[in-house]
Amino acid sequence: DSGVTQTPKHLITATGQRVTLRCSPRSGDLSVYWYQQSLDQGLQFLIQYYNGEERAKGNILERFSAQQFPDLHSELNLSSLELGDSALYFCASSNDMNTEAFFGQGTRLTVV
Amino acid sequence: GQNIDQPTEMTATEGAIVQINCTYQTSGFNGLFWYQQHAGEAPTFLSYNVLDGLEEKGRFSSFLSRSKGYSYLLLKELQMKDSASYLCAVKTNAGKSTFGDGTTLTVKP
Repeated sequence: DSGVTQTPKHLITATGQRVTLRCSPRSGDLSVYWYQQSLDQGLQFLIQYYNGEERAKGNILERFSAQQFPDLHSELNLSSLELGDSALYFCASSNDMNTEAFFGQGTRLTVV
Repeated sequence: GQNIDQPTEMTATEGAIVQINCTYQTSGFNGLFWYQQHAGEAPTFLSYNVLDGLEEKGRFSSFLSRSKGYSYLLLKELQMKDSASYLCAVKTNAGKSTFGDGTTLTVKP
């Protein structure tokens, strides 16, 4: 158990809908990262937050947004969902921008 | 931008040694990570290199050459449970992480 909690574990929704994925980082970790992993593909970095502020942005679509709250949990919002958005979405946390990240078990999103 | 290259697949025999290479191009290099990922599971941290040289941790070692944009992960005394995907990831000074597509290692008896 990495200490990073993601909910829900599985999510099935229809095209055009909006979903929110939630991540609780390890206790004491200020950085939260979001990644997308499509079937048989590598991890794609989406966005990073550090202590409530956006710190780095990857190839995140405009239909996607995220935020980190004062209690340091984070949410990833995905809207106008398309079939191609079906993927595993991982959250990771670390206690410093430059140290290892611990990954949650992921949310498997299926868009039908 | 960042570009990371790793071999797609490798096969090795139980008990043997295997070296997984990673080359990268990036600006503002801040460190290189190796992660192990079993299918459908979360990646788990293996090693972190920020300075040139070899870091050894049990059966796993990782090497970095910043001037060459090159790293490798060395796995010794391979076990069947080492069959997994091995991800090379580069972090920049801005905090952005880029992962390679991973190398799928199959360990055979």
